[in-house]
Amino acid sequence: EVQLLESGGGLGQPGGSLRLSCVASGFTFRSFSMNWVRQAPGRGPEWVSTVDIRPDVTHYADSVKGRFTVSRDNSRSTVYLQMNSLRAEDTAVYYCATRMLSHFDYWGQGALVTVSS
Amino acid sequence: DIVMTQTPPSSPVTLGQPASISCRSSQSLVHSDGNTYLSWLHQRPGQPPRLLIYEISNRFSGVPDRFSGSGAGTDFTLTISRVEAEDVGVYYCMQVSHFPWTFGQGTKVDIK
Repeated sequence: EVQLLESGGGLGQPGGSLRLSCVASGFTFRSFSMNWVRQAPGRGPEWVSTVDIRPDVTHYADSVKGRFTVSRDNSRSTVYLQMNSLRAEDTAVYYCATRMLSHFDYWGQGALVTVSS
Repeated sequence: DIVMTQTPPSSPVTLGQPASISCRSSQSLVHSDGNTYLSWLHQRPGQPPRLLIYEISNRFSGVPDRFSGSGAGTDFTLTISRVEAEDVGVYYCMQVSHFPWTFGQGTKVDIK
């Protein structure tokens, strides 16, 4: 059974940093790209970032480019999202999701990030 | 960026009756490899989105066959042949043909 478990959410200060982790199990982690999607309160989902099978191949939404960094550790079956220079508009539930088929097939339960002073 | 426009924004439906949701993209979703990467997801309150349909019309594992997808190019439709109580929630279309990947704004389905 595919399982994704996010952690690291919480309260962050404007201009501050947080790091999210997503531990995966139930599939061959190193063989698939991993993704982060966020959903602000009362809004639809927004794709944030993707790390390909090759850890040096990454993609970002313009809204986070230069501030967020995605990475993966295949030995730990874990994907990370380092979030710097946090803004109020980064407040959201952050989901990690697999892409074993051509779409986002499995999702974690999410981690809430609140940016406020 | 590709804008995904869903209609209607909300859809009150009768149990056992059909329902359909439309999704239109601001440009063609045909990828350079010839495939069209349009999916449909369902989200219940407090839950993560769940994949229903991928590549326009392929049902994901475990998805009931009352769900079907159709369309091509820029116009796509999700159809529920007979709505059941567990189908309430918000439905999103999503494209992963062109970066940045984008979602529709959602269609809320509830029971009349």
